[in-house]
Amino acid sequence: DTGVSQNPRHKITKRGQNVTFRCDPISEHNRLYWYRQTLGQGPEFLTYFQNEAQLEKSRLLSDRFSAERPKGSFSTLEIQRTEQGDSAMYLCASSTGTVYYNEQFFGPGTRLTVL
Amino acid sequence: TQLLEQSPQFLSIQEGENLTVYCNSSSVFSSLQWYRQEPGEGPVLLVTVVTGGEVKKLKRLTFQFGDARKDSSLHITAAQPGDTGLYLCAGYMEYGNKLVFGAGTILRVKS
Repeated sequence: DTGVSQNPRHKITKRGQNVTFRCDPISEHNRLYWYRQTLGQGPEFLTYFQNEAQLEKSRLLSDRFSAERPKGSFSTLEIQRTEQGDSAMYLCASSTGTVYYNEQFFGPGTRLTVL
Repeated sequence: TQLLEQSPQFLSIQEGENLTVYCNSSSVFSSLQWYRQEPGEGPVLLVTVVTGGEVKKLKRLTFQFGDARKDSSLHITAAQPGDTGLYLCAGYMEYGNKLVFGAGTILRVKS
């Protein structure tokens, strides 16, 4: 399977715990995006990488959130001291970034539930 | 307020009926993408439109980008139960690097 993969698919945690999600993009894609989606809403942009450089972060991304893409391949999104409001679907997408309309392809998402 | 407004929010129709979903904005977009999302899964890209006035067809689905690149529509002919899902429009604003999404239209096609 050469699509975007995300792990884990589901995560249940207690408030105050730290969680980390992983995204493996399509292999030739140099751009990687993170989004958050809550029930009844479309995905909201969190951050994106061009290779290993984090080029833009949303104001939604509080200081409890950090994302890395150390070698320009897979990426991790960490949430520290989780809160119930962090419960959502976290989506990763990748693109080549070489075409001006830059089509993004999404992974299956990680569903986070904070108790 | 959403930069991209989708309507209707929810649509329940019988198999065989036609429907149109709208995606509107007061801003200009350099391109617009339509996605379909199943519960518990990520969005799947259906089409990208980039030129004002462009029309693209994908089997029974017809996508149109407005002349001013501020709006788009998705028309489904003879809907089938397999078309059930959440339809999302998303676009890049001019000079932007991130996709802006609408809130989506939930379509339910009953057999």
